[in-house]
Amino acid sequence: AQKVTQAQTEISVVEKEDVTLDCVYETRDTTYYLFWYKQPPSGELVFLIRRNSFDEQNEISGRYSWNFQKSTSSFNFTITASQVVDSAVYFCALSFPQGGSEKLVFGKGTKLTVNP
Amino acid sequence: EPEVTQTPSHQVTQMGQEVILRCVPISNHLYFYWYRQILGQKVEFLVSFYNNEISEKSEIFDDQFSVERPDGSNFTLKIRSTKLEDSAMYFCASSGDRGQGYTFGSGTRLTVV
Repeated sequence: AQKVTQAQTEISVVEKEDVTLDCVYETRDTTYYLFWYKQPPSGELVFLIRRNSFDEQNEISGRYSWNFQKSTSSFNFTITASQVVDSAVYFCALSFPQGGSEKLVFGKGTKLTVNP
Repeated sequence: EPEVTQTPSHQVTQMGQEVILRCVPISNHLYFYWYRQILGQKVEFLVSFYNNEISEKSEIFDDQFSVERPDGSNFTLKIRSTKLEDSAMYFCASSGDRGQGYTFGSGTRLTVV
């Protein structure tokens, strides 16, 4: 069965601190995709990144970076120099295309609070 | 940038009433989805729709739920007889192809009273 675990329920940091959000996944599929979404207090789901299972290269986008390690089934997300606007719930998700569907399995989310 | 549009943004309905949540996916997308998020909880898959039929559904998607793509542009989720526990944020999503990732709508908050 496919599963995503985000062990950190809530994290609170002070502005400008670096913070890493952990994500561990389980799947038997060899082809799968990993995602991170941000859900600000307004409620929408904002896409941050997609990574396929064959690409373990780490990615950096501005203050955001992602570390994908298949050996530990982890896809961790780091925010460098956090800002108040980063306060949100962050969801890690896993998808595995099959037939006419590609459902996403979400983790329970990590609520990040960045204090000024 | 193309968007997935959901209406209404908030709907309040009485228990037992039928409700229809509406979505306009991105025009050239082929795969359509509904997800649900009960307040404070994780986002859960309800149903996927491809080639004018349901391709996968979850245990949550029982006989009270149905989906339709009536006119090639709208994608609707109907709940026949709402229960209090149907209160949640409902997200519509679409994708152009599998593996490309989704575009989510901004959600409809359904409150059943």
